[in-house]
Parts: sequence; structure tokens; C-alpha cells
Amino acid sequence: RKEVEQDPGPFNVPEGATVAFNCTYSNSASQSFFWYRQDCRKEPKLLMSVYSSGNEDGRFTAQLNRASQYISLLIRDSKLSDSATYLCVVTSNTGFQKLVFGTGTRLLVSP
Amino acid sequence: EAQVTQNPRYLITVTGKKLTVTCSQNMNHEYMSWYRQDPGLGLRQIYYSMNVEVTDKGDVPEGYKVSRKEKRNFPLILESPSPNQTSLYFCASTLAGTHHEQFFGPGTRLTVL
Repeated sequence: RKEVEQDPGPFNVPEGATVAFNCTYSNSASQSFFWYRQDCRKEPKLLMSVYSSGNEDGRFTAQLNRASQYISLLIRDSKLSDSATYLCVVTSNTGFQKLVFGTGTRLLVSP
Repeated sequence: EAQVTQNPRYLITVTGKKLTVTCSQNMNHEYMSWYRQDPGLGLRQIYYSMNVEVTDKGDVPEGYKVSRKEKRNFPLILESPSPNQTSLYFCASTLAGTHHEQFFGPGTRLTVL
């Protein structure tokens, strides 16, 4: 089983739609959780950290469910510019100072 | 401007010809990493460094070497590249480990023929 699993998509949604992605992780001891955004073949950039109480940043909401070991990302009022791949990232169980990246979920927002 | 730079951005080479990909950051970050990204496999860590002269293997270190002689630079060395090292490589730096934002370089697309 992969340490971090994501649905690769693509998720095709119209502008203005609400879309949600889930990500499951296998290491119950993971302490840090993130969503990164990656545009086509460019470098990943931090979208938001995910906190235990859940957190919101504008149109984006991240949630953490430790009991079920998954994190989610909700995007409201999708924009064309939201089209990208969203990477779920958690701390690793295989060593100190390591992150494990999911393979990403691709989002396509159409006019 | 705070940034991580990598060079070269694109490289086509042949099997066995030693090459170095440079990585430099201007944020005084202690922690730096190298990743490779392959379709369906996501980003996998090759090597990381927690400070000058402190390096350790990541998940896929075979065929790679690194050095950290200065805080700002973290070059990736392929002594004898092989076709299975064809990939997209990213260097990243962070203030102090996994709880902080990782800043990635723009990537190096390497093709080994």
C-alpha cells in the first residue's frame, strides 16, 4: 500500500463549481500535512498547510481526519486558473525529516 | 527575491557521462533536498541535507551523490548516468525540516540516452 494515495483524476468541472479531493495516508504517526499545487511540469508550490482543526484560505478549505487518516481539499467557486495538479504531502514514517508526496489529483476547470 | 535556482534546466546526455546539476538558495535555509518526479510515482526524495557537511540518503539514492560544502549550494552528481535516471529533478529548501514550507527550484529535465 502506498504511504499516500490520491485519485489521479482528472476532475473536469465548470467554472464556479465546488470540487473536493481526498487523500489517504498510512502512517498514523504523521504530524504534518500539506496541499501543494503543481502546474504542468513546473515546480510544486505550497497551497496550504492542513491543521487538526481544519483551516480555510479564501476559496480553499482543508480538513484533517486523523481517525480515518485522510485529508481533504475543498475548492469553492472554481476558476480557470485553478486548473493544476494538487499534491497531498505528509511526513514520512521511514525516517527523520522526510516528506511523502502523493502522485497528485489533476483538476481541469472549463469555461 | 527569495528563490531556489537550478542549472541546467534541460539536459540531454549519454550513458556514462558524468554530470552535475547545481542547486542554490538565497534564503539561508538549513535543510535542502533533491527529488525526482516520474509519471505515476510522484516526487521521491533522493538525498537530503540538514546543514553544511550533513547529508543523508532519501528513498531512491542509488546512482546519485551530493555534497553540501556551503549552506546555499547542494549539487546533485550523477557519476555514470543511465537511461533509468531520465526524469524531472527538483531541488528544494526549507527553513528547518518537514514542518515548514518547502521551496522548490524550477526543475531540471534530464534525458539519458
